[in-house]
Amino acid sequence: DAKTTQPNSMESNEEEPVHLPCNHSTISGTDYIHWYRQLPSQGPEYVIHGLTSNVNNRMASLAIAEDRKSSTLILHRATLRDAAVYYCILSPPGGTSYGKLTFGQGTILTVHP
Amino acid sequence: DVKVTQSSRYLVKRTGEKVFLECVQDMDHENMFWYRQDPGLGLRLIYFSYDVKMKEKGDIPEGYSVSREKKERFSLILESASTNQTSMYLCASRTITGNTEAFFGQGTRLTVV
Repeated sequence: DAKTTQPNSMESNEEEPVHLPCNHSTISGTDYIHWYRQLPSQGPEYVIHGLTSNVNNRMASLAIAEDRKSSTLILHRATLRDAAVYYCILSPPGGTSYGKLTFGQGTILTVHP
Repeated sequence: DVKVTQSSRYLVKRTGEKVFLECVQDMDHENMFWYRQDPGLGLRLIYFSYDVKMKEKGDIPEGYSVSREKKERFSLILESASTNQTSMYLCASRTITGNTEAFFGQGTRLTVV
């Protein structure tokens, strides 16, 4: 499985934007980039995913580099509820590798009031 | 709005007991997964299933077995629980169509004494 590299931790202030980076230099042409987050004492939850183009949803934006070797999850205005571990995961197309998701260590995001 | 339900939030079992962890999903997903999560080791895949009665070993299957008799239900079995199986166990499900998100349960914190 292709690996991702994320910083161990990041800090932000409430209501400021947060940019969470992820490097995935060995990404294959068909791998999707998924982001999940895990709030304290909860299971991971889906945030966003994309293939080549930048993506926006109600939770966040995903900016994908042109060469696809890196991506950035953008939280436009961090809230205290956004404090979590954020995982960047490469996902093969549906139906291959049985949809397995391989988690790395993720980035611990701390949000200060 | 709960989509993946794990039968217990907390469990305490004795060494040598046979332990069943149950997971049910209501989204008609083909793929289901069992992970364990330990501090410093992240989420590791134990077993997964891509269809009824079909199963595949993940990265750390030793000491575990699984059962999938119905599409919506995926059980993790600890044949003889040991203290090193004390962990947070997370169930997930995902469709094989396209490259959509995985849904996780809330987790079962198992303590083996």
